[in-house]
Amino acid sequence: NFMLTQPHSVSESPGKTQTISCTRSSGSIASHFVHWYQQRPGSAPTTVIYEDNKRPSGVPDRFSGSIDSSSNSASLTISGLRTEDEADYYCQSYDNNNHGVFGGGTKLTVL
Amino acid sequence: QVQLQQSGPGLVRPSETLSLTCTVSGVSISSGRYYWSWIRQPPGKGLEWIGYIYYTGSTNYKPFLKSRVTISADTSKNQFSLNLSSVTAADTAVYYCASTNYYYYGVDVWGQGTTVIVSS
Repeated sequence: NFMLTQPHSVSESPGKTQTISCTRSSGSIASHFVHWYQQRPGSAPTTVIYEDNKRPSGVPDRFSGSIDSSSNSASLTISGLRTEDEADYYCQSYDNNNHGVFGGGTKLTVL
Repeated sequence: QVQLQQSGPGLVRPSETLSLTCTVSGVSISSGRYYWSWIRQPPGKGLEWIGYIYYTGSTNYKPFLKSRVTISADTSKNQFSLNLSSVTAADTAVYYCASTNYYYYGVDVWGQGTTVIVSS
């Protein structure tokens, strides 16, 4: 099996851009889709990116996703940071047995 | 649109069975569009995938929980359920039901979450 590793926490100022990485420990990051979820304190997660780089309706285009085979990682980029973006973010993929795999989560602070 | 409403007790005694139900609205669980999934989050920790049931009745569980987990579905009520036996304090968590998209294996919709505490 593989792991998805995220930074524990990141911080940036309002209006700036922040990128959160998600590195796959073994196997190709491109072999299975990567999805990203936002979780505000006390709330259930919501999807901000699916299928590596697609946004659900209602998610602003300040959110974007990508994968990079050279670093075997996926990234979530949030531009024009707002205080409401402050949350935990989780990446997720799955293995060849269709077992879901989550990253450990990244706490984004906007200050 | 798809909505998921969870129900079940918030307190379970050690060694007993945790039972939660997720009622689905907006789509039939027999539609084949989703894997009907359970995910949990221990206090202060990250998300942990538990498993799913598909409309065919096939199930898939996280290996280390497999001996204690049963996910079942009741198509007449458009519900699916989680049973986790022989619980310990380590099973204390917020439990979420979720609709995992069949085509790209990402969660489309999450339930509201149920806090389950294992304690005597």
